[in-house]
Amino acid sequence: GQQLNQSPQSMFIQEGEDVSMNCTSSSIFNTWLWYKQDPGEGPVLLIALYKAGELTSNGRLTAQFGITRKDSFLNISASIPSDVGIYFCAGYVSGGSNYKLTFGKGTLLTVNP
Amino acid sequence: GAGVSQTPSNKVTEKGKYVELRCDPISGHTALYWYRQSLGQGPEFLIYFQGTGAADDSGLPNDRFFAVRPEGSVSTLKIQRTERGDSAVYLCASSLSPNQPQHFGDGTRLSIL
Repeated sequence: GQQLNQSPQSMFIQEGEDVSMNCTSSSIFNTWLWYKQDPGEGPVLLIALYKAGELTSNGRLTAQFGITRKDSFLNISASIPSDVGIYFCAGYVSGGSNYKLTFGKGTLLTVNP
Repeated sequence: GAGVSQTPSNKVTEKGKYVELRCDPISGHTALYWYRQSLGQGPEFLIYFQGTGAADDSGLPNDRFFAVRPEGSVSTLKIQRTERGDSAVYLCASSLSPNQPQHFGDGTRLSIL
């Protein structure tokens, strides 16, 4: 079963607001990935993190690999309507295989124009 | 195309029937993965191929599920004697190598009546 706890489960915000979501795990991860999924489509990779403490940006998105290696967060600044979708954290458990991704249950983001 | 291609996009069939789902990975990607996504959940790992061989099939739920990748490119996921509980979106992903980020197709939505 899945080992990642992702929160919040859903968010409803106004356009222009900043958003923060996070993932925690009872296991140590050696890679964290953040994906976005739109209805009827597959997950699209947003950001990949490989080192504890790493902070990486991709446009208005910023993600960090937690120091404990058991958590990660994703921030979206100045949200726009096209940010709507489901955001998933995923990663590879340390000491396990580096190909079997474990996913969170997702955060559903709704942006009100 | 440049991305992972999955066909069919939708498949509706009766309980007990046999189905085949096809995945065409990104050109040059040696690693290929199958995941299953149920409503409201993140994708769950099924099987991983490195080249032509199934390196890990530990996620396949039972022996009704089988996958092949005979030439190290296109893969087919096969489900025998389908059950209503098999209804889900089946996602395929590929990566340049096992420790590189996985890129997903749009999935096949399988409905078993």
